[in-house]
Amino acid sequence: GENVEQHPSTLSVQEGDSAVIKCTYSDSASNYFPWYKQELGKRPQLIIDIRSNVGEKKDQRIAVTLNKTAKHFSLHITETQPEDSAVYFCAALGGGTYKYIFGTGTRLKVLA
Amino acid sequence: GAVVSQHPSWVICKSGTSVKIECRSLDFQATTMFWYRQFPKQSLMLMATSNEGSKATYEQGVEKDKFLINHASLTLSTLTVTSAHPEDSSFYICSASQGMGQPQHFGDGTRLSIL
Repeated sequence: GENVEQHPSTLSVQEGDSAVIKCTYSDSASNYFPWYKQELGKRPQLIIDIRSNVGEKKDQRIAVTLNKTAKHFSLHITETQPEDSAVYFCAALGGGTYKYIFGTGTRLKVLA
Repeated sequence: GAVVSQHPSWVICKSGTSVKIECRSLDFQATTMFWYRQFPKQSLMLMATSNEGSKATYEQGVEKDKFLINHASLTLSTLTVTSAHPEDSSFYICSASQGMGQPQHFGDGTRLSIL
């Protein structure tokens, strides 16, 4: 079955710097890759997503890149702010399925 | 848009009690709803997938008689933790999707504490 690996597990950056989180998936049929941000005790919130027919997508300070050949995708946050501090989860959705396979999460700390 | 409401947000009850958690999609019809369990500092673990009007599909290791799921309409799914015990204490989160390949939108979660 599908397996999603996420790195790093924790990441500390200075305010204003960039943060990059990487995920690798195993199922080449996976075709949808969302990223969620979860603050402590709250719901995961969809922040950006990408489908397999696109290589890159950007929304203001957040971007996601997808390399289908290597089966990995990355979240890029530029000009980080303290409010970006949270746990970020990547996920992969296999073709013909409803189920997400989540990564293990990255705890991002933005230091003021 | 795509708002999912989950209630209650916090439950504290005695061992042996059954607890029902509701998940509603407020502004869209959810073909499929999902129930997750999340332990502190861990990822979301899928418990079951439910489609409106049919039986839920449970993940391996999840007891279907312990965690009863009902998806009676396109906007409502319920999870009942039957005869809850302290080891059932966790953060339970539902999500809803409009269809295959569509994003999942999450509820606020329910923190369940069994004494």
